[in-house]
Amino acid sequence: DADVTQTPRNRITKTGKRIMLECSQTKGHDRMYWYRQDPGLGLRLIYYSFDVKDINKGEISDGYSVSRQAQAKFSLSLESAIPNQTALYFCATSGLVQGRWHTGELFFGEGSRLTVL
Amino acid sequence: DAKTTQPPSMDCAEGRAANLPCNHSTISGNEYVYWYRQIHSQGPQYIIHGLKNNETNEMASLIITEDRKSSTLILPHATLRDTAVYYCIAHRDDKIIFGKGTRLHILP
Repeated sequence: DADVTQTPRNRITKTGKRIMLECSQTKGHDRMYWYRQDPGLGLRLIYYSFDVKDINKGEISDGYSVSRQAQAKFSLSLESAIPNQTALYFCATSGLVQGRWHTGELFFGEGSRLTVL
Repeated sequence: DAKTTQPPSMDCAEGRAANLPCNHSTISGNEYVYWYRQIHSQGPQYIIHGLKNNETNEMASLIITEDRKSSTLILPHATLRDTAVYYCIAHRDDKIIFGKGTRLHILP
């Protein structure tokens, strides 16, 4: 089983619909992230969370909201989807590495491809 | 986080060393340099990271200049499977921002 699991993997929806993308992890990491990737572009940070009670906006948070239900779960919601939110969405985690004072590398899920018609 | 600058694309012949440069002239003293790669539309994969010393692992080597304003990722013997987008990121502990990366083409 994957350490970082995203559901759904693919979703087609219509403009105005509410959509939730879910992410769960078994790595025991405190930090979780949501990124968006458009064709030919790099990843852009939407939201990130350093623990259950901590939520922070990233580069492009407008039109999105998140919920950190537990240490292992971080959900991304589109309250009213629009076509320009069609993209590939990635969840990632990172954690403090024992014996180090910085966070370690990011571990990514396999991505959720969202199409808004 | 420090901003990084990478060439948009590079070519490398199969079997040769691929040297991918990254500029991070505004890097602060406690920020690490991380490299990731993304094959097609998969989730990015961690390659290597370093602070100021050169680093090597089973995937690659990382050379960081003495002033830490730039670094080079070296894939010693590139194969077709190394075709990917490579991202260089400088960060400490805060939000982790990706740039557009370098698209590496391995030529047979």
